[in-house]
Amino acid sequence: DIQLTQSPSFLSASVGDRVTITCRASQGITSYLAWYQQKPGKAPKLLIYAASTLQSGVPSRFSGSGSGTEFILTISSLQPEDSATYYCQQLNSYPLTFGPGTKVDIK
Amino acid sequence: VQLVESGGGLVQPGGSLRLSCVASGFTFSDHYMDWVRQAPGKGLEWVGRIRNTANSYTTEYAASVKGRFTISRDDSKDSLYLQMNSLKTEDTAVYYCARAAGSSWDTHYFDYWGQGTLVTVSS
Repeated sequence: DIQLTQSPSFLSASVGDRVTITCRASQGITSYLAWYQQKPGKAPKLLIYAASTLQSGVPSRFSGSGSGTEFILTISSLQPEDSATYYCQQLNSYPLTFGPGTKVDIK
Repeated sequence: VQLVESGGGLVQPGGSLRLSCVASGFTFSDHYMDWVRQAPGKGLEWVGRIRNTANSYTTEYAASVKGRFTISRDDSKDSLYLQMNSLKTEDTAVYYCARAAGSSWDTHYFDYWGQGTLVTVSS
């Protein structure tokens, strides 16, 4: 099975800050990676697919990069509504797996 | 696009439960469908997938549920099901159904999710 790790597990940043979250895969997954945002009590929401493609309707301050085993989700200018937990997911092979999540808090 | 789960509730260890997910707003029969769960205060865990009719409705499961859970679908009713047998306390979670965007590997991400239904396994 492909294991995903995320760092950091928690971050606190101010409105307007640039935030980066890293997702590492235990083996190469080319670009078969998605990022989701989840707010408390809500279903996850797709942000990025194919490692770097922004889902329709998602603000352009979100971006993704990487391939192989290392991927990055960037929020270019953090907004209050970005307070949430962010998960990466690999779609390269079964079982599909998620990272453990990164909780983003607004200072 | 809307996905609405139902069927959650309290069940004793060793018991069974069947979850349903009714889809609307898209051609259900075209899409792979998945179940994902989230234990209280924990992260997301993929449960399994059922492919579409073009791919013979074949299924994939996480090791933690294989042999106990069965995913099925009824395209005539735009419905997805999760039959859960031999339930354990560690199966307690919110269960989400999710739509895979497409059937090729580069479109296997989940573009729509239901609101979730809570399953509690406890004596």
